[in-house]
Amino acid sequence: EAQVTQNPRYLITVTGKKLTVTCSQNMNHEYMSWYRQDPGLGLRQIYYSMNVEVTDKGDVPEGYKVSRKEKRNFPLILESPSPNQTSLYFCASSLQGQGEETQYFGPGTRLLVL
Amino acid sequence: GEDVEQSLFLSVREGDSSVINCTYTDSSSTYLYWYKQEPGAGLQLLTYIFSNMDMKQDQRLTVLLNKKDKHLSLRIADTQTGDSAIYFCAETSGYSTLTFGKGTMLLVSP
Repeated sequence: EAQVTQNPRYLITVTGKKLTVTCSQNMNHEYMSWYRQDPGLGLRQIYYSMNVEVTDKGDVPEGYKVSRKEKRNFPLILESPSPNQTSLYFCASSLQGQGEETQYFGPGTRLLVL
Repeated sequence: GEDVEQSLFLSVREGDSSVINCTYTDSSSTYLYWYKQEPGAGLQLLTYIFSNMDMKQDQRLTVLLNKKDKHLSLRIADTQTGDSAIYFCAETSGYSTLTFGKGTMLLVSP
């Protein structure tokens, strides 16, 4: 089954404790992306990757890092999480990042930073 | 930056038609999308329209695009309780970097 998986689905952590949210897709997609969803703000893009070793900032990259060492994986790293990073995070992928392609979303990771 | 605006809430009765509206500011938008998010779930692409089209129909869904006014709408015919969800309008001017609206919560009552 074609899918985007994220782990963990729920996470509670404390300020400053480094964490990684994993994202994996099994569709051999080149394009992958991370979004955060906040009430009243919709979804905002954090980082995206057009292919292995190619990453770029989205609209809200501050406080986040990503890496793309393999095509299927695109982890989101919070080196020193802060309470304002409490949010619902979505990973997404599409074949090559073209507009007419379907972008597949993962189920989301709900993060609470205390 | 570019902006996408939607009304926040719409309530309809089962069997009625629902119309969700969206406006955007990016005149170079090439693709416009409607996504559906059910509670606790990710986003599901419902439909999209290319900017050189003015209408697209897919079963109960009709998308209308007024490029001059930068206005997009999603009409759901014969709305069902299972259509209750948050609907996001999104646009891109090329590659898959999407700009989303804040979402419209559709509540369908029996």
